[in-house]
Amino acid sequence: EAQVTQNPRYLITVTGKKLTVTCSQNMNHEYMSWYRQDPGLGLRQIYYSMNVEVTDKGDVPEGYKVSRKEKRNFPLILESPSPNQTSLYFCASSPGTGGQPQHFGDGTRLSIL
Amino acid sequence: GENVEQHPSTLSVQEGDSAVIKCTYSDSASNYFPWYKQELGKGPQLIIDIRSNVGEKKDQRIAVTLNKTAKHFSLHITETQPEDSAVYFCAAGYGSSNTGKLIFGQGTTLQVKP
Repeated sequence: EAQVTQNPRYLITVTGKKLTVTCSQNMNHEYMSWYRQDPGLGLRQIYYSMNVEVTDKGDVPEGYKVSRKEKRNFPLILESPSPNQTSLYFCASSPGTGGQPQHFGDGTRLSIL
Repeated sequence: GENVEQHPSTLSVQEGDSAVIKCTYSDSASNYFPWYKQELGKGPQLIIDIRSNVGEKKDQRIAVTLNKTAKHFSLHITETQPEDSAVYFCAAGYGSSNTGKLIFGQGTTLQVKP
């Protein structure tokens, strides 16, 4: 089954404790992206990657890091989480860029206390 | 900057009625307009998309219309059913861009009452 898998689905942690949210896709997609979803703001792009070892900032990259060492994986790293990063996070993948449909994971709800 | 406005934020209809959600975008270079449906506890799922060289597209009970001059596009759902209840997002993107960037609207919570 074609899917984008995120882990963990839920996490409650404390300020300053480094965390990583993993994302894996099994569709051999070149493009992957991270979004955060906040009430009344829709989805905002954090980082994206057009291929292995190619990453770039989205609209709200501050406080986040990503890496793309393999085509299927695109982890999101919060080196020193803060309460304003409490949000619902989605990973998405796409066959390529240029107006291709994006396939989303089921989300990771992070609470930073 | 790039912006997508979506209205209404909530919409309640009776089963069998039609529902219309509208979006306006700011960047005239946008040329790809997908619509996503998000059910509780799930990620957004693409339900229909349209490109700027097309004015309307239909898929069974769902249709999308695009007015490039006015920079707005709409989602139309006919004969609504309770399972259509969800949050719907519009987005605007760039078909020839190498960023894959999508700008999302704020979302519309649709409730279909049986």
